[in-house]
Amino acid sequence: AQRVTQPEKLLSVFKGAPVELKCNYSYSGSPELFWYVQYSRQRLQLLLRHISRESIKGFTADLNKGETSFHLKKPFAQEEDSAMYYCALRRAGGFKTIFGAGTRLFVKA
Amino acid sequence: DVKVTQSSRYLVKRTGEKVFLECVQDMDHENMFWYRQDPGLGLRLIYFSYDVKMKEKGDIPEGYSVSREKKERFSLILESASTNQTSMYLCASSLWIAGGSHTGELFFGEGSRLTVL
Repeated sequence: AQRVTQPEKLLSVFKGAPVELKCNYSYSGSPELFWYVQYSRQRLQLLLRHISRESIKGFTADLNKGETSFHLKKPFAQEEDSAMYYCALRRAGGFKTIFGAGTRLFVKA
Repeated sequence: DVKVTQSSRYLVKRTGEKVFLECVQDMDHENMFWYRQDPGLGLRLIYFSYDVKMKEKGDIPEGYSVSREKKERFSLILESASTNQTSMYLCASSLWIAGGSHTGELFFGEGSRLTVL
């Protein structure tokens, strides 16, 4: 069965500190992994996807198939990064996207 | 800019009432989805639709039904609301691409917070 696990419900860091939001998945086939973000009073939106191998707002995420992980990283956290982050997975070419429970990131001044 | 609009931001209903949640998207997307969002559980897929009049069950369809009579509109129906259906409901859409079901990017509405008393 497909599953996405985000072990931290809440992550609190100081501004300028590195941040890593963890995501592990279980899926036997070929997955596509995503990070979605929801800022306060805004709708949920795509942050990045592993296929693009891009950096968005300073965030990067590398798919590690050996460890079945897709951790989200940023070297220097900013206050505006405070938000709810969801890791998501779908089978390549499939319809269904499943989400983890989410991690709330709080960046302190 | 893709716009997914959910008609009701907040609803309060009584147990046993029939509830309609409406969602409209303006970007001609083929695929539409209904999720519920609960703290500690993340988003869970209720139903999705990949074409007009087509629907597929998601992971938690019990107690819900859907309707897609027009491409731009996808409705979620609670036939007899219960207190355990108190939640935030999110509608999403995505674009179909040749060779696959969709691009992978979901565009979400602002959500409908339903309280069932």
